[in-house]
Amino acid sequence: AQTVTQSQPEMSVQEAETVTLSCTYDTSESDYYLFWYKQPPSRQMILVIRQEAYKQQNATENRFSVNFQKAAKSFSLKISDSQLGDAAMYFCAYRSAGKGGSEKLVFGKGTKLTVNP
Amino acid sequence: GAVVSQHPSWVICKSGTSVKIECRSLDFQATTMFWYRQFPKQSLMLMATSNEGSKATYEQGVEKDKFLINHASLTLSTLTVTSAHPEDSSFYICSARKAGLSVYFGPGTRLTVL
Repeated sequence: AQTVTQSQPEMSVQEAETVTLSCTYDTSESDYYLFWYKQPPSRQMILVIRQEAYKQQNATENRFSVNFQKAAKSFSLKISDSQLGDAAMYFCAYRSAGKGGSEKLVFGKGTKLTVNP
Repeated sequence: GAVVSQHPSWVICKSGTSVKIECRSLDFQATTMFWYRQFPKQSLMLMATSNEGSKATYEQGVEKDKFLINHASLTLSTLTVTSAHPEDSSFYICSARKAGLSVYFGPGTRLTVL
């Protein structure tokens, strides 16, 4: 079974600074997807960024980028120019991509990000 | 983007009663919907996967007779918590998969059982 580990229960960053959230995963599959979701106090889950395992290029969405290291099974999220609205719980998630693979998302335990003004 | 709604957003019920939570994909057809449970300050725990027109697939440890899931149409799935007890109090979240990879989450339902 696949597992996702987020080793940082809490992180904090100063407004306008950069922060990196860590995520590692364990799988025997070669084809899969990785995601970062944000859950603000409203508790609405919001997709931040997605990475296909077959792509070597790291995904980027505006101020959010990932460092995907497939061999190391590492998938960290970098938030640049942090804003107060970035404060939230961040969840790393894994999903199989191959035929016959499970459609379900496997979540890490989350990292609570605080942004200090 | 796609929108998923949940109703109600917050429900309080007495112990022993049943509660139904609806999950709707408002602007797309969802062949697959997922139900999660989230305890305070914890991650999302998948309860079951529901496919339109077929029985839901429950995760290990989830009581299928207690958490009834019905996916009657391509835009609606319901979760019924039967004979609810205080330990069932939690935040329940659904998500719906649009054609392809994209999965969209509902805003969640807070259930409090007295």
